[in-house]
Amino acid sequence: EDKVVQSPLSLVVHEGDTVTLNCSYEVTNFRSLLWYKQEKKAPTFLFMLTSSGIEKKSGRLSSILDKKELFSILNITATQTGDSAIYLCAVASGGGADGLTFGKGTHLIIQP
Amino acid sequence: AAGVIQSPRHLIKEKRETATLKCYPIPRHDTVYWYQQGPGQDPQFLISFYEKMQSDKGSIPDRFSAQQFSDYHSELNMSSLELGDSALYFCASALAGLLVASTDTQYFGPGTRLTVL
Repeated sequence: EDKVVQSPLSLVVHEGDTVTLNCSYEVTNFRSLLWYKQEKKAPTFLFMLTSSGIEKKSGRLSSILDKKELFSILNITATQTGDSAIYLCAVASGGGADGLTFGKGTHLIIQP
Repeated sequence: AAGVIQSPRHLIKEKRETATLKCYPIPRHDTVYWYQQGPGQDPQFLISFYEKMQSDKGSIPDRFSAQQFSDYHSELNMSSLELGDSALYFCASALAGLLVASTDTQYFGPGTRLTVL
């Protein structure tokens, strides 16, 4: 059974801090790893990673995948209160339009 | 940019009733996924469709069925509702391309919050 594990489950930091969120996975026929940000509603897409060692960057957020060690990290620098959310890691595996397997998420709280 | 549309946004039903949730994917997207997210839980994959054909099946109960129509919208039909069906139901859409991984970037709708009393 495919498994996605995120850590920490919860994290409280001060504005301006840098945070690193972790995601490890065990899946059959790995295709890609995705990061989503979920505030009160739908998960919003952040990154999709398919290749090892290639950093994806969007503003203060960046992410990288290690397919040998089966994990990914999501970094957020100079955090702001608007970064407070649940960050979900999901893995696509198998073939065709298969559903994503999600981790439990990291609940990130940024204090002013 | 147009996003995934779901209706209704909120639905309250009683046990043993039926419910139909609708999903309109992003224009030109041909793949639709349904997820169920219970309180404090991660989204659980239910079922997906590509080009109107069922593509993958997850933890969808036998009481539920779904289909994708010729205009690519999808409906999730839920019968004999139980208290445990109370959850947020998300629809996500994707565009299949030349690469299998094209469908991995799924864009989620705002969800339908179903409450079963």
